[in-house]
Amino acid sequence: DAGVTQSPTHLIKTRGQQVTLRCSPKSGHDTVSWYQQALGQGPQFIFQYYEEEERQRGNFPDRFSGHQFPNYSSELNVNALLLGDSALYLCASSGNGNYNSPLHFGNGTRLTVT
Amino acid sequence: GDSVTQMEGPVTLSEEAFLTINCTYTATGYPSLFWYVQYPGEGLQLLLKATKADDKGSNKGFEATYRKETTSFHLEKGSVQVSDSAVYFCALGGRGGSNYKLTFGKGTLLTVNP
Repeated sequence: DAGVTQSPTHLIKTRGQQVTLRCSPKSGHDTVSWYQQALGQGPQFIFQYYEEEERQRGNFPDRFSGHQFPNYSSELNVNALLLGDSALYLCASSGNGNYNSPLHFGNGTRLTVT
Repeated sequence: GDSVTQMEGPVTLSEEAFLTINCTYTATGYPSLFWYVQYPGEGLQLLLKATKADDKGSNKGFEATYRKETTSFHLEKGSVQVSDSAVYFCALGGRGGSNYKLTFGKGTLLTVNP
């Protein structure tokens, strides 16, 4: 049973470009959350998707947007990349839409903006 | 807003030593508290949690007690092993175990030497 899978594992982009990161949740999970982890920091909540809708959002600008597909997979899009967007982006999935269902994290996508 | 402060690392111990990693929080209401662990090359994993004051979470020999009077959730283990080497994150969630929008501390790197 595959866990949470994220692609790509590493990515290098230039300032001003746009990037799309992908996440496939653990089998049976229907809720996907995205976190940004800057170097030496803890993960910061970006947003959560459930039933293809953004259910909750953290303190991130509109340059960060997302989508959830009918198969529960999700994408994170970042426009107009800044150097400060360089970070590890983590996807976490959980099941049943419950707020206290255990989170399962992927290994992340390492984004470097030059 | 909500915040978590945890002990700065890195922490280096010898095998069988006693471990304490301090964690304090600031939050309104009745938050839930979590410890996550990130082993080298792996995603974040839930280690233990406590959903109300005076609850004790435990797993794999690790323990933490939710102390509302001191707003703390310190992680302890009586005898660490080399395999415990990892980064440990304290996190704050919503009421009743809600983890849909976690606030993480910066993480503490633990290295256990044989």
